[in-house]
Amino acid sequence: QKEVEQNSGPLSVPEGAIASLNCTYSDRGSQSFFWYRQYSGKSPELIMFIYSNGDKEDGRFTAQLNKASQYVSLLIRDSQPSDSATYLCAVSWVARDDKIIFGKGTRLHILP
Amino acid sequence: DAGITQSPRHKVTETGTPVTLRCHQTENHRYMYWYRQDPGHGLRLIHYSYGVKDTDKGEVSDGYSVSRSKTEDFLLTLESATSSQTSVYFCAISNSMNTEAFFGQGTRLTVV
Repeated sequence: QKEVEQNSGPLSVPEGAIASLNCTYSDRGSQSFFWYRQYSGKSPELIMFIYSNGDKEDGRFTAQLNKASQYVSLLIRDSQPSDSATYLCAVSWVARDDKIIFGKGTRLHILP
Repeated sequence: DAGITQSPRHKVTETGTPVTLRCHQTENHRYMYWYRQDPGHGLRLIHYSYGVKDTDKGEVSDGYSVSRSKTEDFLLTLESATSSQTSVYFCAISNSMNTEAFFGQGTRLTVV
């Protein structure tokens, strides 16, 4: 049974600080990793994806992947109140008919 | 949400009635998905389609059926709605099974 685990939060971070969101997954055959942001009452929107071990940066966002330890993280630098949302981690696997599995999300609250 | 339209956006229906939700895309993506999102459960896949008339079950398919007669349209039908099907339903599209998915605005369904 493939699983994607996230701490549900809420994670409270002061404005301007670094927010660190973590995600672990259960199966080593994983291929692709995605971070979605979901504001309350809205649909998930893709903010980052990463396929290879290491870091990937996009503006204030950095995704970190460590396949040996089976975790993927998202760092948000210079956190803003507008970053307050639920962040969903999603993982896909290499088998042809495997679907993307979503974690339940971490609620992030940026304190002004 | 560009290129993906869900209808209706909100619906209240009575137990035992049939309900059809529509997802329409203008992106010509091969894959289309229906998810439901409930507190404490995250996003769960109901059904998905990998082409016209090609569909398959997800993890919570009981009580739901789907049809895809055109590339751009994916219909989700609740044959006889139950209160347990009260949820927010999201349609998503992707180019392939293991790549990033893009979500529609969601449909809030209440079964009374």
